Amino acid sequence: AAGVIQSPRHLIKEKRETATLKCYPIPRHDTVYWYQQGPGQDPQFLISFYEKMQSDKGSIPDRFSAQQFSDYHSELNMSSLELGDSALYFCASNGQGETQYFGPGTRLLVL
Amino acid sequence: DQQVKQNSPSLSVQEGRISILNCDYTNSMFDYFLWYKKYPAEGPTFLISISSIKDKNEDGRFTVFLNKSAKHLSLHIVPSQPGDSAVYFCAAKRGGGADGLTFGKGTHLIIQP
Repeated sequence: AAGVIQSPRHLIKEKRETATLKCYPIPRHDTVYWYQQGPGQDPQFLISFYEKMQSDKGSIPDRFSAQQFSDYHSELNMSSLELGDSALYFCASNGQGETQYFGPGTRLLVL
Repeated sequence: DQQVKQNSPSLSVQEGRISILNCDYTNSMFDYFLWYKKYPAEGPTFLISISSIKDKNEDGRFTVFLNKSAKHLSLHIVPSQPGDSAVYFCAAKRGGGADGLTFGKGTHLIIQP
């Protein structure tokens, strides 16, 4: 079965640079979620989109923004990167049900 | 303020025995609960879920029990197998809508041969 696709899988950036992470949800899923997991931490919810509209907002820094496009894929834009932004970034999607299905994640390292 | 708590950072169980992982929550607005299994550097894999209108849900070797009055849920794995060794996260959300999940800190389950 098709799963959530995230790209890139690994990314290395310098401080103060920008990064864009992409997420392609499971086909026919219309809701996308972004999470950040720091080393040894639990995943923290950042933001979600339903039918291309922002739905819920968690602990997303003002330096980050996201959107969902007409084909339901989503992009997380991160600017003025800081060392503390180094983490695993997960995207999840769901359709009619409550269960969120996660992608493999993007590992971001900020140097 | 940790709204979902998994108080056991690790749990060691012998192969073939029952593994019981516990989770407590404080937010009364939560009415949908999920368990995920996670390996390092991989995404969480959905295992089983339960809504607040039920007190038990079973899927193969996995059973989740919910005690709403105690704000407590548990995941039972029986029999435990070596491939079950992983970190298990409890997560909760309000039902309906696109609310994000609130996760616990996870329990590292180790299945001993």
